[in-house]
Amino acid sequence: GENVEQHPSTLSVQEGDSAVIKCTYSDSASNYFPWYKQELGKRPQLIIDIRSNVGEKKDQRIAVTLNKTAKHFSLHITETQPEDSAVYFCAASRDTGTASKLTFGTGTRLQVTL
Amino acid sequence: DAGVIQSPRHEVTEMGQEVTLRCKPISGHDYLFWYRQTMMRGLELLIYFNNNVPIDDSGMPEDRFSAKMPNASFSTLKIQPSEPRDSAVYFCASSLVPHMNTEAFFGQGTRLTVV
Repeated sequence: GENVEQHPSTLSVQEGDSAVIKCTYSDSASNYFPWYKQELGKRPQLIIDIRSNVGEKKDQRIAVTLNKTAKHFSLHITETQPEDSAVYFCAASRDTGTASKLTFGTGTRLQVTL
Repeated sequence: DAGVIQSPRHEVTEMGQEVTLRCKPISGHDYLFWYRQTMMRGLELLIYFNNNVPIDDSGMPEDRFSAKMPNASFSTLKIQPSEPRDSAVYFCASSLVPHMNTEAFFGQGTRLTVV
């Protein structure tokens, strides 16, 4: 089955700096890579996703890049703000037509300090 | 739509007791997932259903865990008997058909404490 590794497990940046979180996956057939943000005590919520037919996607201060050859993808947050502090999870899945499940990374706890 | 609804939000039970967690997925979503979240292991997929049929239960830790989905709008995760190591936050999530590779929407979770 799919195995997703995520690094780092914790990340502390100063407000205004950039943050980068990296993930690798094992199943070369995976074709959907979402990122979820989980604030303390709350549910995980999708913030951005990328499909295997593109290499990069941006949404305001966040961007995700995908390297299918190397089987890794990354989340980039620019101009970080205190409200970006949360746990971020990457995930991977592949569509087989009859089965689809997300395999999550172990999470990165991002702390944005003033 | 109110989103994925889970109940109860918090559950404290004594070791050996039966625990039942409940989930109502978003109407129209064909897939339902049960996850367990702990500090040590992160988000683990326990089981998921497609059109009320269990597809993959390989993540269910042991026979003490069971899940059902009697209809498209309701699912349960049962632990019997419960043990302290089952303490975790249990999330239910639902999504649309997979070939669209769409977002999985999570419920608020049930925080289970087994003492």
